[in-house]
Amino acid sequence: AQSVTQLDSQVPVFEEAPVELRCNYSSSVSVYLFWYVQYPNQGLQLLLKYLSGSTLVKGINGFEAEFNKSQTSFHLRKPSVHISDTAEYFCALTGDQFYFGTGTSLTVIP
Amino acid sequence: DAGVTQSPTHLIKTRGQQVTLRCSPISGHKSVSWYQQVLGQGPQFIFQYYEKEERGRGNFPDRFSARQFPNYSSELNVNALLLGDSALYLCASSRPPHSLTDTQYFGPGTRLTVL
Repeated sequence: AQSVTQLDSQVPVFEEAPVELRCNYSSSVSVYLFWYVQYPNQGLQLLLKYLSGSTLVKGINGFEAEFNKSQTSFHLRKPSVHISDTAEYFCALTGDQFYFGTGTSLTVIP
Repeated sequence: DAGVTQSPTHLIKTRGQQVTLRCSPISGHKSVSWYQQVLGQGPQFIFQYYEKEERGRGNFPDRFSARQFPNYSSELNVNALLLGDSALYLCASSRPPHSLTDTQYFGPGTRLTVL
């Protein structure tokens, strides 16, 4: 069985501060990991994905994530957030199908 | 190019009724997937179609069915609606070749309310 757990349902952070959104996964086979963002009233958009190779993955809008196989984690980070980063963030993996986490609501405070 | 489009945007039905949701993928994309997103939850995989054949099915009852047409557009049908079917239904398309690593491009969704 495969699953994704997002450890924080809500993360408030001040503008220009760093942020980390945590994601842990469970799988008995190799997986591919993704982070998607959902802005209010918009469809989900891919931020980044890990398929293989370098464990540090860079995505759009200054986000990056690190794949840690021993910790079964794929945490998303940004060194300095902007108001426009306020959105719902979903960690996901593919195994026999696509699995999404329950989401983390990031609120950037001016 | 136009993104993934879904219709209708909003829909209100009563328990026991049937509903059909429609999705048009990005031009050139041949794979379409459907997801159900209940308020406050992440999307849950319902179906994936590639080249008009079902390639994957999530843990949903037989009341849920789908099909893909020769132009790669898709319909999701839900029969005997329950209150718990109220959700945002998302459609996503991806470009060939079909692969689990494909980036999925999501539409804005259809908001279904069952009364």
